[in-house]
Amino acid sequence: DAKTTQPPSMDCAEGRAANLPCNHSTISGNEYVYWYRQIHSQGPQYIIHGLKNNETNEMASLIITEDRKSSTLILPHATLRDTAVYYCIVSSLSTSYGKLTFGQGTILTVHP
Amino acid sequence: AAGVIQSPRHLIKEKRETATLKCYPIPRHDTVYWYQQGPGQDPQFLISFYEKMQSDKGSIPDRFSAQQFSDYHSELNMSSLELGDSALYFCASSSKYTGTEAFFGQGTRLTVV
Repeated sequence: DAKTTQPPSMDCAEGRAANLPCNHSTISGNEYVYWYRQIHSQGPQYIIHGLKNNETNEMASLIITEDRKSSTLILPHATLRDTAVYYCIVSSLSTSYGKLTFGQGTILTVHP
Repeated sequence: AAGVIQSPRHLIKEKRETATLKCYPIPRHDTVYWYQQGPGQDPQFLISFYEKMQSDKGSIPDRFSAQQFSDYHSELNMSSLELGDSALYFCASSSKYTGTEAFFGQGTRLTVV
């Protein structure tokens, strides 16, 4: 699976959009971009995933660049409960869907 | 909606003892995964099972074994426990028929003393 690079930490004001970047310059054509988050010591939580088109669900939006070498997770209106470690993971469907390689994620702190 | 259930939530064992962790996947999910998360570390994949057969293996010590049963629940057996085995152990489940995302349980915190 391709390696990802994320900033170690980010801050966001409550109510504002949180934009979390991820670099995956070695991504291959059959690899998806997944985002999970982990709120302190809880089980990781799936957020969203995409291949090449932008995706949106009730939690977030995922913007993938045209060359697929980077992506941005957008939490449109961050709340204090969104404070967590956010993991960007690249994985192909040829592997087990839940066999995820968690690298260094981004610690997002949402403050009042 | 039903989630992944793990038991026990907390477990304290002495060195060299044996521990068994249980995982009950979301109904109709056919694949389970086990992860280990040490203090201050990111989750690390241990092993997975699809339709009761081992499907992938990660950095699982030889002292650990796991299996998936006919009702799809899974057990992680850990023998000759070491202090370094103290960690959070997460189970996740998925189904290729309902989506490619995995759903995690709340974990079992194992403390080896």
